[in-house]
Amino acid sequence: DGGITQSPKYLFRKEGQNVTLSCEQNLNHDAMYWYRQDPGQGLRLIYYSQIVNDFQKGDIAEGYSVSREKKESFPLTVTSAQKNPTAFYLCASSLVGPRSSPLHFGNGTRLTVT
Amino acid sequence: AQSVTQLGSHVSVSEGALVLLRCNYSSSVPPYLFWYVQYPNQGLQLLLKYTSAATLVKGINGFEAEFKKSETSFHLTKPSAHMSDAAEYFCAVSDTAGGTSYGKLTFGQGTILTVHP
Repeated sequence: DGGITQSPKYLFRKEGQNVTLSCEQNLNHDAMYWYRQDPGQGLRLIYYSQIVNDFQKGDIAEGYSVSREKKESFPLTVTSAQKNPTAFYLCASSLVGPRSSPLHFGNGTRLTVT
Repeated sequence: AQSVTQLGSHVSVSEGALVLLRCNYSSSVPPYLFWYVQYPNQGLQLLLKYTSAATLVKGINGFEAEFKKSETSFHLTKPSAHMSDAAEYFCAVSDTAGGTSYGKLTFGQGTILTVHP
């Protein structure tokens, strides 16, 4: 079955360390996204990519970095510059074209930084 | 820029009662609207979407939503709640910036639905 795989499901890091969250999709979607979810704040867009080797900042990109070297992969690095990194991170993908193209989500990675 | 407001961060209903989750949006162009559901520690699953074809949209699990342009609303309803409906629900609007047509969405804050036996 096609879908989006995020790993690991839970991640613990010490403050000051960079950490990379994995996201892989086999839906053959061109567009991929990273959202951050905090209680009571909905989902906020971190980065998105419409095509390989190209990506754009979302609303809260500071302290994060991404790469898109392959169509199926869109890893997110949470750097030590991110002031409040503890959150639930969701990766998504979609077709490029119709504005009504729905997002398909992975099951998320819960990052805790202490 | 568009925005989405979900009225009520928590809604509680009895099993078998009507479910009504409210969503209002702002958009400078005709919007595409979505409702997603999230179960604990999982990703989001699409319930239904409005793409201007019909104002009343039917989705999965017995949910439906009605687009009302005059009220800028897209409320989600279900005639009879089931225990399995307990989850968090998100309303979202499709991005219109720059004429780019893909799935970048702006989400509301979410509404947690509790269903009592």
